[in-house]
Amino acid sequence: NAGVTQTPKFQVLKTGQSMTLQCAQDMNHNSMYWYRQDPGMGLRLIYYSASEGTTDKGEVPNGYNVSRLNKREFSLRLESAAPSQTSVYFCASSEGTGWDQPQHFGDGTRLSIL
Amino acid sequence: QKEVEQNSGPLSVPEGAIASLNCTYSDRGSQSFFWYRQYSGKSPELIMSIYSNGDKEDGRFTAQLNKASQYVSLLIRDSQPSDSATYLCAVIYGQNFVFGPGTRLSVLP
Repeated sequence: NAGVTQTPKFQVLKTGQSMTLQCAQDMNHNSMYWYRQDPGMGLRLIYYSASEGTTDKGEVPNGYNVSRLNKREFSLRLESAAPSQTSVYFCASSEGTGWDQPQHFGDGTRLSIL
Repeated sequence: QKEVEQNSGPLSVPEGAIASLNCTYSDRGSQSFFWYRQYSGKSPELIMSIYSNGDKEDGRFTAQLNKASQYVSLLIRDSQPSDSATYLCAVIYGQNFVFGPGTRLSVLP
């Protein structure tokens, strides 16, 4: 049972490059989320999707775009990477469409922008 | 500004002792609260959820919620070195899932 799968696990980019982080869940969850985690800052929500076909901004959406491709997959795109986007990115999913359900996390993507 | 506050630690306890982790939150209307454990270099892992005032026990873990005082705590009984990790408190604020910065726990053999 894979749960939430993120790819890639590690990535190094140069400033200005673009890339897409992939996330897929096999738990038939409705909601999916993207977070970034920085030392001393905790987890901060970038974007979320309460159901297939909908996406909403979180606390720190600037510089990112997302796509809810289908119920299983939720991707995060950096159009023009900046050093401030160096972070660990986590994808998560939860069963319901509301906010009262616990979230289950993938293993994370460690992204460095040079 | 919706806030979740935790003592960053490190909190050091001897093996076999009770570890007490605390979390305070700013919105009296919050209804859902979660504790996650995160080992270094790993992803957060759900330990407990609590929605009602009082205590909720699951094995060696007990979550305590006091909505009037706006705090939620996690007690770990018979602490083991394998419990050494960062513990994240998470609070639902309306349409947002807000994490605290985490408390680093070190259980000394």
